[in-house]
Amino acid sequence: ETGVTQTPRHLVMGMTNKKSLKCEQHLGHNAMYWYKQSAKKPLELMFVYSLEERVENNSVPSRFSPECPNSSHLFLHLHTLQPEDSALYLCASSPTPRGTGELFFGEGSRLTVL
Amino acid sequence: AQTVTQSQPEMSVQEAETVTLSCTYDTSESDYYLFWYKQPPSRQMILVIRQEAYKQQNATENRFSVNFQKAAKSFSLKISDSQLGDAAMYFCAYRRNNAGNMLTFGGGTRLMVKP
Repeated sequence: ETGVTQTPRHLVMGMTNKKSLKCEQHLGHNAMYWYKQSAKKPLELMFVYSLEERVENNSVPSRFSPECPNSSHLFLHLHTLQPEDSALYLCASSPTPRGTGELFFGEGSRLTVL
Repeated sequence: AQTVTQSQPEMSVQEAETVTLSCTYDTSESDYYLFWYKQPPSRQMILVIRQEAYKQQNATENRFSVNFQKAAKSFSLKISDSQLGDAAMYFCAYRRNNAGNMLTFGGGTRLMVKP
């Protein structure tokens, strides 16, 4: 059983829909991350959340909106997405935001935008 | 900006044999970390091995070892005695020191293991 749980595992949405991806970590970690994994492209860091800071990749469009209500939960709110946003969205956590570089990943949410 | 390149989109190996996955990176930093992550078909990515750039000794974890060539900016992964469970996507990643856990990943290599 993974220590990082993502829901839903699969999501199909239209370009005018509003949906959210949820991530929960049961590891007691203090940093959480959203990565985008597109076909034939390297993983792209979207957002980092910790008690100390929020870091975001400036290339991420505003139609992606993260929310981190506490150290165990991370959301990615989606609205007016484009077909090119279809990808696997991976959540990860780490004990601290400045640790050894080991990230603990969830199994991902496969998003399809029609 | 740092970049990580994996030039082999796919590799295959016979069970019990050895395979080497290639990775090169570009950086102007002298202090950094390198990683190999494995993503099996179930998609949960896990850390395989980590190398600190200041260490000359190559990291080893059981059947997994790296060949770290700092001057050449090369970081290859060797898998010995390959097993069917080694079949996965393998990602090379880079993190400069004091940059938090913001990793830069390569495009990945799909490894197939033939029985």
